[in-house]
Amino acid sequence: AQSVSQHNHHVILSEAASLELGCNYSYGGTVNLFWYVQYPGQHLQLLLKYFSGDPLVKGIKGFEAEFIKSKFSFNLRKPSVQWSDTAEYFCAAQPSLSGNTPLVFGKGTRLSVIA
Amino acid sequence: EPEVTQTPSHQVTQMGQEVILRCVPISNHLYFYWYRQILGQKVEFLVSFYNNEISEKSEIFDDQFSVERPDGSNFTLKIRSTKLEDSAMYFCASSGGSGTGLKGYTFGSGTRLTVV
Repeated sequence: AQSVSQHNHHVILSEAASLELGCNYSYGGTVNLFWYVQYPGQHLQLLLKYFSGDPLVKGIKGFEAEFIKSKFSFNLRKPSVQWSDTAEYFCAAQPSLSGNTPLVFGKGTRLSVIA
Repeated sequence: EPEVTQTPSHQVTQMGQEVILRCVPISNHLYFYWYRQILGQKVEFLVSFYNNEISEKSEIFDDQFSVERPDGSNFTLKIRSTKLEDSAMYFCASSGGSGTGLKGYTFGSGTRLTVV
């Protein structure tokens, strides 16, 4: 069965530090990949998505992610985090035969940014 | 920008009671989904719905759950006899048809269900 692994459960960074959150997926076929952010008490918001083309994807709020097919990875990066980036980050994968199939989520990584 | 709307935002119910969670998907979308997130855990797929029938469901979606699109705009999740372990945030999502799916996969703001 398809699965998504996020290896970091909780990451604590100082403001202005660089961020990289790991995500690996297990699906052998072509997949669509997503990163969602969930701020405390709020709903899931799409940060960025990859479905084809340039493996380096730019998202909102200065985030980017790189799809490395050989490593089955889609790591999220940001060069300089802010306190407002404190949130839970979820990686998700979707078989790309259709854009209308369920997403499989990772367990999430909680990011705490301290001053 | 179109939104998926969920009501109520928070519902408290007694164990054994029936609850109905409501969602209004984006109007031109054709696929509808329910996910849940137990506190501190990952988001899990429950069910997808297309053309007035369930297209896929997870093992979580057992006989106590049902979904319905009663009037062409609402999409509901019913839990017949709630259990303490049903306490979670329930997210509705919708996506479009062919050619629009990836762009249109949108989540609602969720309903927090607390079973006491």
